[in-house]
Amino acid sequence: GAGVSQSPSNKVTEKGKDVELRCDPISGHTALYWYRQRLGQGLEFLIYFQGNSAPDKSGLPSDRFSAERTGESVSTLTIQRTQQEDSAVYLCASSLGVGWAAPQHFGDGTRLSIL
Amino acid sequence: RKEVEQDPGPFNVPEGATVAFNCTYSNSASQSFFWYRQDCRKEPKLLMSVYSSGNEDGRFTAQLNRASQYISLLIRDSKLSDSATYLCVVNRDQGSQGNLIFGKGTKLSVKP
Repeated sequence: GAGVSQSPSNKVTEKGKDVELRCDPISGHTALYWYRQRLGQGLEFLIYFQGNSAPDKSGLPSDRFSAERTGESVSTLTIQRTQQEDSAVYLCASSLGVGWAAPQHFGDGTRLSIL
Repeated sequence: RKEVEQDPGPFNVPEGATVAFNCTYSNSASQSFFWYRQDCRKEPKLLMSVYSSGNEDGRFTAQLNRASQYISLLIRDSKLSDSATYLCVVNRDQGSQGNLIFGKGTKLSVKP
């Protein structure tokens, strides 16, 4: 597609369940980013990939969070044993590279609600 | 000093008004600057890049002041549809968190 695609667009699940969020970046974009945004708050950086590698995973909030990217394309963000504080919009973005002049383009996000 | 700092607002202005936002950044080595716009419950979208010489796109003008390390966004003849949160974005040296730092945004509300 023309833009960054995320799925599902909405996810409601019970506390303690695992969830998997998917991101399809713009074709040819080597860099991919995950952010979290709580209601009324700014963007919280989680992790980014250059190719299939994540240089640093320290932005992930806890060890319940993990992410991977394959084929320098699709990325999956997995949250295990979800907690209510995980409720937020999870945004994915991609860019041509991590060069300093490369703007990021965002998907519509996945709105995650933990009951 | 925060890496990127913005006045959260809200800025409440009438239609047709001119409004300006400033944003300060801490890293004097930063080279790339952007303004993004985020509508309520939507994703951020690139509004414009900010060039050293300043640039204009219709009613929007962006300026960069390297000496004082701030960028600005001027919106002329405000429209109702300009109501949104405007995010100041600055590049960082390649490192652990990717290439861009996003400010927390300035909220603009244009009233009839």
